[in-house]
Amino acid sequence: EPEVTQTPSHQVTQMGQEVILRCVPISNHLYFYWYRQILGQKVEFLVSFYNNEISEKSEIFDDQFSVERPDGSNFTLKIRSTKLEDSAMYFCASGTGRYQPQHFGDGTRLSIL
Amino acid sequence: GQQLNQSPQSMFIQEGEDVSMNCTSSSIFNTWLWYKQDPGEGPVLLIALYKAGELTSNGRLTAQFGITRKDSFLNISASIPSDVGIYFCAGQYRGAQKLVFGQGTRLTINP
Repeated sequence: EPEVTQTPSHQVTQMGQEVILRCVPISNHLYFYWYRQILGQKVEFLVSFYNNEISEKSEIFDDQFSVERPDGSNFTLKIRSTKLEDSAMYFCASGTGRYQPQHFGDGTRLSIL
Repeated sequence: GQQLNQSPQSMFIQEGEDVSMNCTSSSIFNTWLWYKQDPGEGPVLLIALYKAGELTSNGRLTAQFGITRKDSFLNISASIPSDVGIYFCAGQYRGAQKLVFGQGTRLTINP
């Protein structure tokens, strides 16, 4: 069964450094998402992306965050200057349509030191 | 803000028992979804609900979309050890793409 894949599975970065999290959505999906889950808390929406532009974003997704689909298969989340509170699991998700179910990857655990 | 209240927070049951959990909201949702998350993995979709009153099954799992569009429940019948994990409800508002997640129900099964 097709699945969303994310790399790396664990990223350790010094505070203030830039980090790029990578995702390969399911191949026929057109809608892409990033969510995060701080340890022990619920999953929170960050951003949705369709037709090469951001279609919706949360208040968490401030100027230090950006997303890109650099080619036909990858979808990336960049955090420009990481803070301690950015430590979390980051999940990529994709779906076939605006209101179709979103399928999640296994996440990247981001640890900021 | 937008919130889903999911209950119970945790459940400890014997293998073979039935399980019921639910989510409520003060707002109306257009879609309800139920996900399961195992340790170190991402949420896996179990059931998606699109219409008020809809009752949908997936094997031993049954979920319903409340008539008021403000609640949903998930039942698991005859639980087995692999049902252990955290179950999340998620709602999607009309016109929005984001999913709003509940706090999760942690299910533990004693063999």
